[in-house]
Formats: sequence, structure tokens, C-alpha cells
Amino acid sequence: DAGVIQSPRHEVTEMGQEVTLRCKPISGHDYLFWYRQTMMRGLELLIYFNNNVPIDDSGMPEDRFSAKMPNASFSTLKIQPSEPRDSAVYFCASTRWWGGSDTQYFGPGTRLTVL
Amino acid sequence: ELKVEQNPLFLSMQEGKNYTIYCNYSTTSDRLYWYRQDPGKSLESLFVLLSNGAVKQEGRLMASLDTKARLSTLHITAAVHDLSATYFCAVDGNQFYFGTGTSLTVIP
Repeated sequence: DAGVIQSPRHEVTEMGQEVTLRCKPISGHDYLFWYRQTMMRGLELLIYFNNNVPIDDSGMPEDRFSAKMPNASFSTLKIQPSEPRDSAVYFCASTRWWGGSDTQYFGPGTRLTVL
Repeated sequence: ELKVEQNPLFLSMQEGKNYTIYCNYSTTSDRLYWYRQDPGKSLESLFVLLSNGAVKQEGRLMASLDTKARLSTLHITAAVHDLSATYFCAVDGNQFYFGTGTSLTVIP
């Protein structure tokens, strides 16, 4: 398997623009996670899905952020409108089972810069 | 709000030495995770600790969990340069929180 795939790897946009980050989990994994990493706030869990259904979105910072998982092989994280403080590295991860001992596998991340 | 504190934040150690990284958390939880991150890279899952007294080992790393003390440790045995990285713990309580990370540098 190719592992967790994220695109784009780098995104530079201007404040106010819509940004869409994409993630393809490992086939057969039922759980998908979106994380954000910044120098100021460290690592944060934004949202996670089980079988394409959002389970916990309490980490989503604002209504400007939304995440979807239309099928088992694709998820998006959208920011609209984007702001400079959204600049961060966004990671996607997947695992077969959450709450057990299964390993999470992380994608390479998307580095977002909002000017 | 759940707080997860790691110490030390920075650790420089010589190859061959042993050391322990500590992860304290402020709320009841039976699930604790350890991750590794190389500079400029993504995260790698190291250990999942699911109950009080759980101990996991992989190579030169051993993690343990004491839920009563709300403490997890990551012990490094006979450090080698390849272990240089930042190590994060994370706790799954009412919410999921990461620690601040411990930046480990192993000096030859």
C-alpha cells in the first residue's frame, strides 16, 4: 500500500481564499483523523471519522473549518475564508481501529501558508 | 481543560546513556499514545498504552503507564544517534491532547 496520501504537499494562498486539503487513507482503515501542527499551539486533533461519519469535531477551531468524508477512500478539510493564523502543517492519519492498540499511519502533511 | 505536560522539553544525551522522558496529564484517562517526529517530517506512532500498568517495548524504547499517578514514561536505553527526534505523548480523555514534545538529541 502507498500509505496515507495527502495533497497538495504545499499550499500558499492569500487571506480570504478558500483552501481545500485532501487525504486518501490506507485501504481497509475505518478511522481517519485530521491534525494541525503550529509552533504556537503545537499538535491538535481537529476531527476524526469512523466509517466516513464524523465522530468528534470538537477540535475544529471555527466555523470556517469543515471536513467531509464522502467515501472510504477520500476526505477533505476545507477552510473558507482562510486567515494568516491558519498557516500550519495539516496531517491526515488513518487506522483500522481507534481505542485499541492499532497503529495510526500518518500522511506526509500539507504545509499551508496564508498570506 | 486537559493538560498534558512533558519534561524535559529539550534533552541532549550521549550515545550509550539511558534517560527517561515524562508525560504528566491532568485528567482521568486509560489511553495514552507516544509518537515520534523527525525534523521536518510527519509523525510516527510508537506506542499505545491502554491500561494501568501497561508496558510496551520496541528496541531501545520502553513506554509505561501509571493511570493512578497520571504519568507515562518513555525510557531510552543505550541511546544511539538514530533516536534523535521529537517525542510526543498524547492523552485521550474527554478530548484528545498532545504534550508539548521533547526534543531529543543524541550526541556521538
